[in-house]
Amino acid sequence: DGGITQSPKYLFRKEGQNVTLSCEQNLNHDAMYWYRQDPGQGLRLIYYSQIVNDFQKGDIAEGYSVSREKKESFPLTVTSAQKNPTAFYLCASRDRGHGGYTFGSGTRLTVV
Amino acid sequence: EDQVTQSPEALRLQEGESSSLNCSYTVSGLRGLFWYRQDPGKGPEFLFTLYSAGEEKEKERLKATLTKKESFLHITAPKPEDSATYLCAVQAVEGGGSEKLVFGKGTKLTVNP
Repeated sequence: DGGITQSPKYLFRKEGQNVTLSCEQNLNHDAMYWYRQDPGQGLRLIYYSQIVNDFQKGDIAEGYSVSREKKESFPLTVTSAQKNPTAFYLCASRDRGHGGYTFGSGTRLTVV
Repeated sequence: EDQVTQSPEALRLQEGESSSLNCSYTVSGLRGLFWYRQDPGKGPEFLFTLYSAGEEKEKERLKATLTKKESFLHITAPKPEDSATYLCAVQAVEGGGSEKLVFGKGTKLTVNP
């Protein structure tokens, strides 16, 4: 079955640590996106990539970094510079069939 | 700046009690409007895409409509399994082809048996 796989489902980070969230897709989609979701707020765009080896900052990129070395993979690193990283992180790819996104199941990151 | 406002924030219905969710938007040029369903702890699930005013889409008990300033998600005779948060998003026509979606905060729907 085609889809987007995010791992891990739950992640705990200590203060000062960098952590990397995995996002893999087998849909052959070119464009991929990372969103952050906080209670009572809409999804906010962190980074996006329209093609391999290229990516752009979204609305809240500070404290995050990404890479796009393969079409299938778009990992997100939450660095120690991100002061409030506790949130639900969603990876998506653009589906040219319906024009919107297909989402992964999310990673819940908690700072301990 | 593109904006999406959903109302109400939360809605409680009895099973079988029909209602509508609202999504109002401001965008420089609308490429598409999208509805998603999100269950707790899961990623959003695609429901509909609407492209132009007057367009309607239906799926089971859900029907989405679009005007130049807002969209409605009508729920007819809802069942408890329709309980979820419903998200609305817009995609603007813009240079660079980023195809970004701007999301509203969602409407949390609870359907009681």
